[in-house]
Amino acid sequence: GQNIDQPTEMTATEGAIVQINCTYQTSGFNGLFWYQQHAGEAPTFLSYNVLDGLEEKGRFSSFLSRSKGYSYLLLKELQMKDSASYLCAVTPMEYGNKLVFGAGTILRVKS
Amino acid sequence: GAGVSQSPRYKVAKRGQDVALRCDPISGHVSLFWYQQALGQGPEFLTYFQNEAQLDKSGLPSDRFFAERPEGSVSTLKIQRTQQEDSAVYLCASSLWETSNQPQHFGDGTRLSIL
Repeated sequence: GQNIDQPTEMTATEGAIVQINCTYQTSGFNGLFWYQQHAGEAPTFLSYNVLDGLEEKGRFSSFLSRSKGYSYLLLKELQMKDSASYLCAVTPMEYGNKLVFGAGTILRVKS
Repeated sequence: GAGVSQSPRYKVAKRGQDVALRCDPISGHVSLFWYQQALGQGPEFLTYFQNEAQLDKSGLPSDRFFAERPEGSVSTLKIQRTQQEDSAVYLCASSLWETSNQPQHFGDGTRLSIL
């Protein structure tokens, strides 16, 4: 089976840094995606990790440790518009390239 | 540029009715996916097409759910004899190729409410 865990909710202050963790236990692993989803809107692609290490993309960075089954999304210089749900998703090898999602972490940014 | 387009945006149906949800993927995208998203949850995989071939339908919850992509572009998800537990947001996504490193691009979804 597949199990992907993320915190349900987080709150952070505008201008700060926040780290959203994701742990996974899957029978296969081919890569990990992070998506952002505003309420009532489409999930939008943020990052992809397949090798261990940090991928940086502007204010957003994502880290992967395959041996630990662990990833995090780091958001810097938080803005109010970053308030959204952040979804961690794994592509298990034996299922082709479908995405298996966690339940998402709702991030609230306060001023 | 044009993204993934889904219609209708909202659909209300009475229990027992049939519904059809449409997805227009990004032009040229080979892979197309359908997901179901319940409130407060992440999307759950339903089915996957590579061009017109339905390669994986393991996530379809019952034989009341049927999907097609006859010409390898537009796809339709049909739900027969709808039940209240079918109420959810149905998301369509497409990706350029079938390889696992390709990001999927999602539509805004169809919010289905079964009364």
